[in-house]
Amino acid sequence: TQLLEQSPQFLSIQEGENLTVYCNSSSVFSSLQWYRQEPGEGPVLLVTVVTGGEVKKLKRLTFQFGDARKDSSLHITAAQPGDTGLYLCAGGFQKLVFGTGTRLLVSP
Amino acid sequence: EAGVAQSPRYKIIEKRQSVAFWCNPISGHATLYWYQQILGQGPKLLIQFQNNGVVDDSQLPKDRFSAERLKGVDSTLKIQPAKLEDSAVYLCASSIRGGTDVNYGYTFGSGTRLTVV
Repeated sequence: TQLLEQSPQFLSIQEGENLTVYCNSSSVFSSLQWYRQEPGEGPVLLVTVVTGGEVKKLKRLTFQFGDARKDSSLHITAAQPGDTGLYLCAGGFQKLVFGTGTRLLVSP
Repeated sequence: EAGVAQSPRYKIIEKRQSVAFWCNPISGHATLYWYQQILGQGPKLLIQFQNNGVVDDSQLPKDRFSAERLKGVDSTLKIQPAKLEDSAVYLCASSIRGGTDVNYGYTFGSGTRLTVV
């Protein structure tokens, strides 16, 4: 069974701060996806990383796939209250396995 | 394009009662998934359909949970009888085809929040 562990579990920061969320596994993944979930809604896909070492940027969000394709990170620069939510990494081939989640709270 | 529709949004039932959830995926999406998300955790896959056939139900508690996708479109998930630990959000998702295609993510519905008291 492929498991994805995320850290930290919870992060509370002030607007303007930077943060990094980690997603780790002992298994190799062909690709990893990152989702953001807001209260009362389903997860929404942010990005898919495919190649080991790949870096993708989405405005203030930077996603990196580890060289060995076992881990990934999400870095947010100058966080804003609108970034508040549950961040989930997910991977797998025939089916998506989700990570344990990181709950981010950005206060004004 | 219309998203994944789920109903009801909320449901409160007593333990040992039965409950059913409904999902209408995005038109043309062959694959449909039901996930269970306990508060503060990541979603856990319960069952995956490809058209109207079951691809994976290895994590579905079959003594109390059942799901069907008649005609390969809408799907229902049923719990009978419900237990307290079934309290969770039940998410339905669909994708164009099976597998985790790098060009397509899963599209999720807003979920049904079930509270068992």
